Amino acid sequence: AQRVTQPEKLLSVFKGAPVELKCNYSYSGSPELFWYVQYSRQRLQLLLRHISRESIKGFTADLNKGETSFHLKKPFAQEEDSAMYYCALSGHGSEKLVFGKGTKLTVNP
Amino acid sequence: DVKVTQSSRYLVKRTGEKVFLECVQDMDHENMFWYRQDPGLGLRLIYFSYDVKMKEKGDIPEGYSVSREKKERFSLILESASTNQTSMYLCASSVGSANEQFFGPGTRLTVL
Repeated sequence: AQRVTQPEKLLSVFKGAPVELKCNYSYSGSPELFWYVQYSRQRLQLLLRHISRESIKGFTADLNKGETSFHLKKPFAQEEDSAMYYCALSGHGSEKLVFGKGTKLTVNP
Repeated sequence: DVKVTQSSRYLVKRTGEKVFLECVQDMDHENMFWYRQDPGLGLRLIYFSYDVKMKEKGDIPEGYSVSREKKERFSLILESASTNQTSMYLCASSVGSANEQFFGPGTRLTVL
């Protein structure tokens, strides 16, 4: 079965501090992994996906197949990073996404 | 820019009413999705359509049905609304497999 676990419902950091949002997954094959973000009063949108290996808005995420993790990291959090973050998985050849329950990040001034 | 639009931002209905939520996308995407978004539960897939008139149940299809008569439009139907269907409903579209999904702004449905 495909499963995505985000162990933290809420995460609070101060501006300028490093931030790591955890994501673990369960999937028997090679998954495609994504991070989606929803800012206040905005629609859910893609932040980054592991296959592109990009850094978006200072965020990076590395797929660790040994630990089945895809944690999202940023070295210096900004107040505008405050949002709801969802980790998602797509099985090989699948059109569907399985989402985690989300982590609400608050960056305090 | 992909545009996914939903017919209403807010909707209030009474228990037992039939409810239609409409979603339209303008990028010729073959895949369309309906999710529920609830605090603490994340996004849960209700139904998915990979082509006109084709549909597949998601994780929580009970109490819902869907219709896709045209490629750009995907409707979610609550045959007899109940209070436990009070939620935020998100529509999304995508092309191909394992690709980015583009989301609509959501419809907040309240069933009294």
